Amino acid sequence: DVKVTQSSRYLVKRTGEKVFLECVQDMDHENMFWYRQDPGLGLRLIYFSYDVKMKEKGDIPEGYSVSREKKERFSLILESASTNQTSMYLCASKSSGGSEAFFGQGTRLTVV
Amino acid sequence: QKEVEQDPGPLSVPEGAIVSLNCTYSNSAFQYFMWYRQYSRKGPELLMYTYSSGNKEDGRFTAQVDKSSKYISLFIRDSQPSDSATYLCAMIGQGAQKLVFGQGTRLTINP
Repeated sequence: DVKVTQSSRYLVKRTGEKVFLECVQDMDHENMFWYRQDPGLGLRLIYFSYDVKMKEKGDIPEGYSVSREKKERFSLILESASTNQTSMYLCASKSSGGSEAFFGQGTRLTVV
Repeated sequence: QKEVEQDPGPLSVPEGAIVSLNCTYSNSAFQYFMWYRQYSRKGPELLMYTYSSGNKEDGRFTAQVDKSSKYISLFIRDSQPSDSATYLCAMIGQGAQKLVFGQGTRLTINP
């Protein structure tokens, strides 16, 4: 089974803190994604990586950065957390030759 | 206009009912169609996967794709309270890397 693991299920951070969300996949997938999910807005793509050290902005990259130093690991960084970044964050991976994506369990981030 | 439209609901039906969930789309390049199920406070899990037009059945679930109408459906027969979840449709074109998701439909099955 494909496994995508996010480092935390729940996080509470203070405004202005630097926040790291980590994601690891064990299927040697080339592509990895970070989404945020908010009620009424669905899934929104923050960043996408198609290879090690390669990244592409998604629909809402402002306030976020990413790092992919190893193929299996994709990190989302909130440089200075703000309350409007309180959300459910979902990591996904997908092989370049496949069509379906596989998700992690999600990280519920609250910024206070 | 969004590439994929999905009624967010909420949809509430009694146990045992047949449920129909639908998405429409505008991009004729989409070739692969998926349904994800997401329980509360969990990540989406892949439920059904279909290539091009036609039907696919898996137990109580049937996925249907009509490319001529740009319309996909998920049917749930003999619905159970454990089917209560948000269902997201997703689709992607040949060779593309990013899926396009519907907004998700929140479904509740009442005992």
